[in-house]
Amino acid sequence: DIHMTQSPSSLSASVGDRVIISCQASQDINNYLHWYQHKPGKAPKLLIYDASRLETGVPSRFRGVGSGTNFSFIITSLQPEDVATYYCQQSFTFGQGTKVEIQ
Amino acid sequence: QMQLVQSGAEVKKPGSSVKVSCKASGGTFSSYAVTWVRQAPGQGLEWMGGIIPILGTVTYGQKFQDRVSITADESTGTAYMELTTLRSADTAVYYCARPLVGARDYYNYGLDVWGQGTTVTVSS
Repeated sequence: DIHMTQSPSSLSASVGDRVIISCQASQDINNYLHWYQHKPGKAPKLLIYDASRLETGVPSRFRGVGSGTNFSFIITSLQPEDVATYYCQQSFTFGQGTKVEIQ
Repeated sequence: QMQLVQSGAEVKKPGSSVKVSCKASGGTFSSYAVTWVRQAPGQGLEWMGGIIPILGTVTYGQKFQDRVSITADESTGTAYMELTTLRSADTAVYYCARPLVGARDYYNYGLDVWGQGTTVTVSS
């Protein structure tokens, strides 16, 4: 089985800051890597699919980069409404999640 | 735009079973897979399994394969997830979701349509 390692588990940043979350796969996953935003009481929301493709309607401040085994999710300018937990997903496996807060 | 509407909250005793439904409306049901994902309190997301209704093909996550059964009724556009031998650790919100792509390897694709979630509480 492919193992996914997501980091950090939590972070606190200021409004307007650049935020980066990493996800590393134990083997090449052919860019089948997706990023979700999950807020309490709501269903997860797909933000980025296939490593770097922005889902329709998602703000352009959200970006995905990477290939092979190393991937990153970037919020270029953190907004108050971005407070949430973010997950990477590859096939049958989700990353451990990163809780993003405003400091 | 397709929507997925799940059945309501359940409270179950340890050792019993629960069956959650997920009804599709406003789109093509059979040609897309339906995937089930859960989140226990304070925990992350877990992939439980999925089904391609038109093929009847089912794939289960390794952790759940002994206790979960996923089925679909094409005539009503409804998918079901049944979890047996419930324990307190199965207390969670259960989601159904549809992948972006209608393909046999649907598990490789992002999940773009989600149900609202069904809370299952296991307590004696």
